[in-house]
Amino acid sequence: GAGVSQSPSNKVTEKGKDVELRCDPISGHTALYWYRQSLGQGLEFLIYFQGNSAPDKSGLPSDRFSAERTGGSVSTLTIQRTQQEDSAVYLCASSFYAGGDNEQFFGPGTRLTVL
Amino acid sequence: AQKVTQAQTEISVVEKEDVTLDCVYETRDTTYYLFWYKQPPSGELVFLIRRNSFDEQNEISGRYSWNFQKSTSSFNFTITASQVVDSAVYFCALRDSGYSTLTFGKGTMLLVSP
Repeated sequence: GAGVSQSPSNKVTEKGKDVELRCDPISGHTALYWYRQSLGQGLEFLIYFQGNSAPDKSGLPSDRFSAERTGGSVSTLTIQRTQQEDSAVYLCASSFYAGGDNEQFFGPGTRLTVL
Repeated sequence: AQKVTQAQTEISVVEKEDVTLDCVYETRDTTYYLFWYKQPPSGELVFLIRRNSFDEQNEISGRYSWNFQKSTSSFNFTITASQVVDSAVYFCALRDSGYSTLTFGKGTMLLVSP
């Protein structure tokens, strides 16, 4: 079956512009996660969804970042007024359910470059 | 609070050598779950193994083996007879039973040269 997909794979934008990153989870997975990975760094948790609800938004770095999920499926991560420090790979993952021993399956990521 | 420490930032070995990647975790929970992921140069994280806190049995899968020791809060990963294709960043992760998110270590980059 299809894995987690993300689009675009690469995005180059100018400082101050808004960007939208999309994630399509594995069909049937109710939980969806967003992470950020800066060059040579570990994974920084941003937000997760259980269904369409986001119980934990604690990782969003500023109010310029927001995310939504509709229909319990596709999620969009929006970054407004992008800054150069937003440059990173944004990873999406999904799991059958949030918590417990459910492993997360990751997408290929979106590489964001802010000039 | 959850914390995962992967003290080895980078390891370089020559093909066919055995290598162990260390993972030490901290948790106050008695029920928790540990994971290992591989991130090859292509960038996509690949799930390798999951272990819950009640199962201390070590596991072997081909050239890969995992040693879980609650007494030292460690969940180490050994690759036997390493190959160039094993070159990747390896992440250890922890989830307490009360959490829905994973806490990742900073990763260990493994370089296997021919």
